[in-house]
Amino acid sequence: AQTVTQSQPEMSVQEAETVTLSCTYDTSESDYYLFWYKQPPSRQMILVIRQEAYKQQNATENRFSVNFQKAAKSFSLKISDSQLGDAAMYFCAYIRDKIIFGKGTRLHILP
Amino acid sequence: EAQVTQNPRYLITVTGKKLTVTCSQNMNHEYMSWYRQDPGLGLRQIYYSMNVEVTDKGDVPEGYKVSRKEKRNFPLILESPSPNQTSLYFCASSLRAGGYYEQYFGPGTRLTVT
Repeated sequence: AQTVTQSQPEMSVQEAETVTLSCTYDTSESDYYLFWYKQPPSRQMILVIRQEAYKQQNATENRFSVNFQKAAKSFSLKISDSQLGDAAMYFCAYIRDKIIFGKGTRLHILP
Repeated sequence: EAQVTQNPRYLITVTGKKLTVTCSQNMNHEYMSWYRQDPGLGLRQIYYSMNVEVTDKGDVPEGYKVSRKEKRNFPLILESPSPNQTSLYFCASSLRAGGYYEQYFGPGTRLTVT
């Protein structure tokens, strides 16, 4: 069965600094999608970035980028120039036939 | 505006009193699903529907029912709620199943069962 592991329940970063959130997953499939979602205090689920497993190039969306290591089954999220609005819970998710979420990492931004 | 709506947003109820949480989307999406979010556990899928009249169990279906009589609606039914179903519930939809299509989430329903 597929699993998604986020090993950091909480992290803190100074405003304007860079932070990396880790995510590992387990699957025997070769074709799948990986996502990072942000959940701010409003509880709304917001898509941050998406990676297709068959694409070797790491996805990037403005200040957000991923380090996708398919062989290692690793999918970390890097946030550059952290801003106060980045404070949220971040969920890693694996999608193929089913959608599997990690348990989340709560990110604090220190002013 | 394209959106997924859920009602109610907040609900406090008592053990055993049947309740329904509605979910509706206006994007003509085929795929809809329900999740529950609990502290330290992330989001777990309860049920999903690939299309009208097609539903299937997710990872935590016990104690829940769903129906998909119309494409736009996917209600979640708790026939006899228990305190362990106290949670934050999300409905989501996408054009089709699979990661190629973005999931659109509703605003969430906070349910408390006493």
